[in-house]
Amino acid sequence: NAGVTQTPKFQVLKTGQSMTLQCAQDMNHEYMSWYRQDPGMGLRLIHYSVGAGITDQGEVPNGYNVSRSTTEDFPLRLLSAAPSQTSVYFCASSYNSGLAGGSHTDTQYFGPGTRLTVL
Amino acid sequence: GQQLNQSPQSMFIQEGEDVSMNCTSSSIFNTWLWYKQDPGEGPVLLIALYKAGELTSNGRLTAQFGITRKDSFLNISASIPSDVGIYFCAGTSGNTGKLIFGQGTTLQVKP
Repeated sequence: NAGVTQTPKFQVLKTGQSMTLQCAQDMNHEYMSWYRQDPGMGLRLIHYSVGAGITDQGEVPNGYNVSRSTTEDFPLRLLSAAPSQTSVYFCASSYNSGLAGGSHTDTQYFGPGTRLTVL
Repeated sequence: GQQLNQSPQSMFIQEGEDVSMNCTSSSIFNTWLWYKQDPGEGPVLLIALYKAGELTSNGRLTAQFGITRKDSFLNISASIPSDVGIYFCAGTSGNTGKLIFGQGTTLQVKP
């Protein structure tokens, strides 16, 4: 298994440009999520999906869109990039969410990250 | 929203010393996870805890799920230079199922 993969690894955008960050997993995980990591703030949840066709907002969803047409893929779209979106973005997946109670099936595994700079 | 308070924020220790860091929450969590992040990489899972009171070891690492379900600690014994990195606690609650992260503890080890 490749686990969780993300592309690109690095990206530089100009303000107002759009782009899509790709995330894929080959572990047949139902739950996928996107986080951004900023210095001193840990990881903050942007959007998440509990299964194909279902998405929901996290803590910091503004400026980002997601879709989940397949179990494997969960792309993150920036429609009009802003300097405030300069960050490191991580995708993660788990077999299910933590709503069912604590178990190994809700343990999330992370991709290597995409480092995005918006000028 | 839910928050995890992780401490200390940073640590600078001598090789061979033991390390302890902890996380606390104002709400109950179902799962406590400890991740390590190396520079330029994504977080890697170290230890996962699923039951209140659970004590789990992974090599030189030991973590416990607090009996109140509102806290957890991670201990590293006999630290070595490759322990350097950022350690994050994270937890999921029954209210949302979402993973909430602490702010991280940056560990530096002096050879």
